Amino acid sequence: EDQVTQSPEALRLQEGESSSLNCSYTVSGLRGLFWYRQDPGKGPEFLFTLYSAGEEKEKERLKATLTKKESFLHITAPKPEDSATYLCAVQANGANSKLTFGKGITLSVRP
Amino acid sequence: NAGVTQTPKFRVLKTGQSMTLLCAQDMNHEYMYWYRQDPGMGLRLIHYSVGEGTTAKGEVPDGYNVSRLKKQNFLLGLESAAPSQTSVYFCASSRPTSEGTQYFGPGTRLTVL
Repeated sequence: EDQVTQSPEALRLQEGESSSLNCSYTVSGLRGLFWYRQDPGKGPEFLFTLYSAGEEKEKERLKATLTKKESFLHITAPKPEDSATYLCAVQANGANSKLTFGKGITLSVRP
Repeated sequence: NAGVTQTPKFRVLKTGQSMTLLCAQDMNHEYMYWYRQDPGMGLRLIHYSVGEGTTAKGEVPDGYNVSRLKKQNFLLGLESAAPSQTSVYFCASSRPTSEGTQYFGPGTRLTVL
């Protein structure tokens, strides 16, 4: 059974204080790992796709990295508008394989 | 483009009542999904569809039915609502070649008393 564990559950940062969010996964052959952002009262919004170990993707202050067992979402010099819940999901190889989501990490950035 | 829209935004039901949640997308996506999101549980897939006229069960299908009569619409039905179905329901859509890149609607908050 595919499993995704995100840590910590919640993270509070001061504006400008860089940090990383962790996503550990167990999957029978990884087709892709996905990061989403979810603002309160809204649906998730796609951020990144990573396919193989060593791959990195960047968008503004966010950088996602991937190893064979985990992914990190690095946040550099965060701003209050980066406050949101960040979801990690994996898709395994094989027909009819769907996304398995983690429980999410709630990030709060104080001005 | 409106993207993915969901109707209604909020609903309160009594135990045993029925209702239908409507999802519509204007991106011509083949695949559509229904999820529920509960505190401490993360997003869980209820049912999905890989094309008009087709549906399949996800992780938590019991108590729900779905229909995909038109490519742009995906309906989620609760025939006899139970308090355990109190949740936030999200619809999403994607292209077949990039299932992990899903576009989500704004959600429906359902309370079953």
